[in-house]
Amino acid sequence: QVQLQESGPGLVKPSQPLSLTCTVSGGSINSGSFYWSWIRQSAGKGLEWIGRIYTSGSINYNPSLKSRVTMSVDMSKNQFSLNLISVTAADTAVYYCATEGDGYPDTFNIWGQGTMVTVSS
Amino acid sequence: EIVMTQSPATLSVSPGESATLSCRASQSVNSNLAWYQQQPGQAPRLLIYGASTRATGIPARFSGSGSGTEFILTISSLQSEDFAVYYCQQYNNWPPMYTFGQGTKLEIK
Repeated sequence: QVQLQESGPGLVKPSQPLSLTCTVSGGSINSGSFYWSWIRQSAGKGLEWIGRIYTSGSINYNPSLKSRVTMSVDMSKNQFSLNLISVTAADTAVYYCATEGDGYPDTFNIWGQGTMVTVSS
Repeated sequence: EIVMTQSPATLSVSPGESATLSCRASQSVNSNLAWYQQQPGQAPRLLIYGASTRATGIPARFSGSGSGTEFILTISSLQSEDFAVYYCQQYNNWPPMYTFGQGTKLEIK
């Protein structure tokens, strides 16, 4: 069974970039036909889908974040990453990586435990 | 953007009774609707997809119904572990733009 684990700094200064990595274990990021997503959860906006990436390089972003988001995959490390630029306090949230898993396209059956990111000086 | 609206915000029910949670979409999502359960401090867990199909390992007391813009999650014979926050999520767009409802907190009465 695939497992996901987020990592990255818990504190980011305003206007700086936020960078997170999700490590995939229990399977290859390049096996199956899964999309790999980032989702965040804040008190103010609830659950918000940020975007998804496929190992072929196909990427879809939430239009509301598209101008600030970049996602990438490192197959050699079995990881995918999120980079969010020009952060403000509104980007403070728990960030999850997630994927659909076998048989659940376009939903999120496998989640990381989440990592809290606070934007503050 | 398709807006998902859940009601009520909080539902108080006694253990052993049934709970009915609602989710409404701002436009038709056909049957492209999922339900999740979230316990405090944990990631959401997929319960239902395709509006009515239980994910693997989900007890039969969880059932989903609806299509188009109106959806229902019913939990029968509530157990202590069922008291949590529930979210709906639509996945009907192309290109994909997944959106979630704001959640319903199911609490013990």
